[in-house]
Amino acid sequence: DAKTTQPPSMDCAEGRAANLPCNHSTISGNEYVYWYRQIHSQGPQYIIHGLKNNETNEMASLIITEDRKSSTLILPHATLRDTAVYYCIVRVRRSGTASKLTFGTGTRLQVTL
Amino acid sequence: DAMVIQNPRYQVTQFGKPVTLSCSQTLNHNVMYWYQQKSSQAPKLLFHYYDKDFNNEADTPDNFQSRRPNTSFCFLDIRSPGLGDAAMYLCATSRDLRGGNQPQHFGDGTRLSIL
Repeated sequence: DAKTTQPPSMDCAEGRAANLPCNHSTISGNEYVYWYRQIHSQGPQYIIHGLKNNETNEMASLIITEDRKSSTLILPHATLRDTAVYYCIVRVRRSGTASKLTFGTGTRLQVTL
Repeated sequence: DAMVIQNPRYQVTQFGKPVTLSCSQTLNHNVMYWYQQKSSQAPKLLFHYYDKDFNNEADTPDNFQSRRPNTSFCFLDIRSPGLGDAAMYLCATSRDLRGGNQPQHFGDGTRLSIL
């Protein structure tokens, strides 16, 4: 699975959009980009994933560049409850195998008043 | 309405005394995983069950074992815990569907302390 690079930490004011970048310059054509987050003292939580098109769900939007070498997770209106470590993971999505996750160091997002 | 349940949330054991952590799921997912997360580090996969098939990661110590008696339950056994095994242990599940495996659902973990 391709390696990802994320900034170690970011701050965001409550109510503003949080834009979390991720570089995955060695991504292969069949690898998806997944985002999970981990709030303190909880297990990781799935947020969103995509292959090459931009994706949006009730939690966030995922913007993937045309060359797929980087992506941005957008939390449109961050709240204090969004304070967490955000992990960007790249992996193949293949039926018949487990969806093993290799976590990097992630980005610690601090949302402030 | 927790879907992946880990008990207990906190476990204390003595150095060298075997300990078992448990995980249950109400999602009927066919794949179950165990991750180890040490303080200030990212989770690291230990092993997983794909249905009844056990799959160990290459660097998982022999001290760690797992059992899955049925679809709903999975256990992590640590035969002789050392001080370095103090960590949060996370259980996760996923369903493998045609077209690709679905995202994982995690429990809130068991924090293991070694005296």
